[in-house]
Amino acid sequence: GAGVSQSPRYKVAKRGQDVALRCDPISGHVSLFWYQQALGQGPEFLTYFQNEAQLDKSGLPSDRFFAERPEGSVSTLKIQRTQQEDSAVYLCASSVVAGGSAADYEQYFGPGTRLTVT
Amino acid sequence: DQQVKQNSPSLSVQEGRISILNCDYTNSMFDYFLWYKKYPAEGPTFLISISSIKDKNEDGRFTVFLNKSAKHLSLHIVPSQPGDSAVYFCAASDYGQNFVFGPGTRLSVLP
Repeated sequence: GAGVSQSPRYKVAKRGQDVALRCDPISGHVSLFWYQQALGQGPEFLTYFQNEAQLDKSGLPSDRFFAERPEGSVSTLKIQRTQQEDSAVYLCASSVVAGGSAADYEQYFGPGTRLTVT
Repeated sequence: DQQVKQNSPSLSVQEGRISILNCDYTNSMFDYFLWYKKYPAEGPTFLISISSIKDKNEDGRFTVFLNKSAKHLSLHIVPSQPGDSAVYFCAASDYGQNFVFGPGTRLSVLP
């Protein structure tokens, strides 16, 4: 079966532009996570969905960041008025379900979208 | 304040020898720990995990050890192979809803 896919793989935006990053999770996976990974760092949590419900958005760095998953499958991370500090790789991950058995905690990551803001 | 620390940014090991990657955490609520491996231009790939009720989990060449009292875990790879060269991330979770990753350790296995 297909893994997690993300598009675009690379995005260059001028400062002030809006961008939208897409994530297609593994079919049937209930939980979906977005992470931001700066160069040389580990992934940092942004937000988490269980089906269409956004249960945690505590990691979103500012109100310029917005995520949605309206039908409980595909998710979009939108960044408004991009700034240079938004340059990073944005990773999406899905898992069977959070809070279930330990094996369900395993997250499957997409390849990421590398965003460069110039 | 980093909740998950990997204090060695890089590690070089000779092929065939043991690689030991270390990870420390501060949050006693973490109950599940995972190791991910990442190649350039790819997303992290799950490698092995351990629940807080265990102190060891083994899968082929990979073994993870957990010392809850010290809030420390380690990943052992033996024997190390050149294809193991990658960045390894330690991650910790509380009940599968809050995942915190360490900064990673770059492993180089020299032929």
